[in-house]
Amino acid sequence: GDSVTQMEGPVTLSEEAFLTINCTYTATGYPSLFWYVQYPGEGLQLLLKATKADDKGSNKGFEATYRKETTSFHLEKGSVQVSDSAVYFCALTLSGYALNFGKGTSLLVTP
Amino acid sequence: DTAVSQTPKYLVTQMGNDKSIKCEQNLGHDTMYWYKQDSKKFLKIMFSYNNKELIINETVPNRFSPKSPDKAHLNLHINSLELGDSAVYFCASSRTGDYTGELFFGEGSRLTVL
Repeated sequence: GDSVTQMEGPVTLSEEAFLTINCTYTATGYPSLFWYVQYPGEGLQLLLKATKADDKGSNKGFEATYRKETTSFHLEKGSVQVSDSAVYFCALTLSGYALNFGKGTSLLVTP
Repeated sequence: DTAVSQTPKYLVTQMGNDKSIKCEQNLGHDTMYWYKQDSKKFLKIMFSYNNKELIINETVPNRFSPKSPDKAHLNLHINSLELGDSAVYFCASSRTGDYTGELFFGEGSRLTVL
């Protein structure tokens, strides 16, 4: 079935470090890809998205590029802040209805 | 204004009881969802309704019954609660025809079964 695989956490970084969270997908067609973020005690919220190959989604300093050749959508940020500590979920949809989520990667940024 | 609101936010109950979680969205969306998040943060879709019609029904015990009285509401009723039902349940909504599939989530309802 259609699915995403993202790197296991937790990831612990110092403030201002570079962040990469890997995400690869398996899909029978051409999915839309997403990164959602869940801050402690809250629901998920959309961080960025890309709907076709080579699209780059960006928001709040985070970026991810839809790579069809490597079936990947890795999340990056050049300089993380303590406030970025959260759980990050990669997700895809083919139907436009439901999202299939990865298992989430917990990020802890220390001062 | 809360876009997707769920009640209650916390629910503690005994095994064998029946409980409901309510969800309402004021975004004008016509598709709504229930997701279950386990203790390891894994999110799994349970149900989806589009204009009050069930369109996704994943492998979920039939003790779980969703009900959508109108397209702004999707409630989840759980019968004969079991320990394994303890989780955070998230309601979400999206706009039909938005094939990018962006979902808007509620804050979650944490169910603890003792």
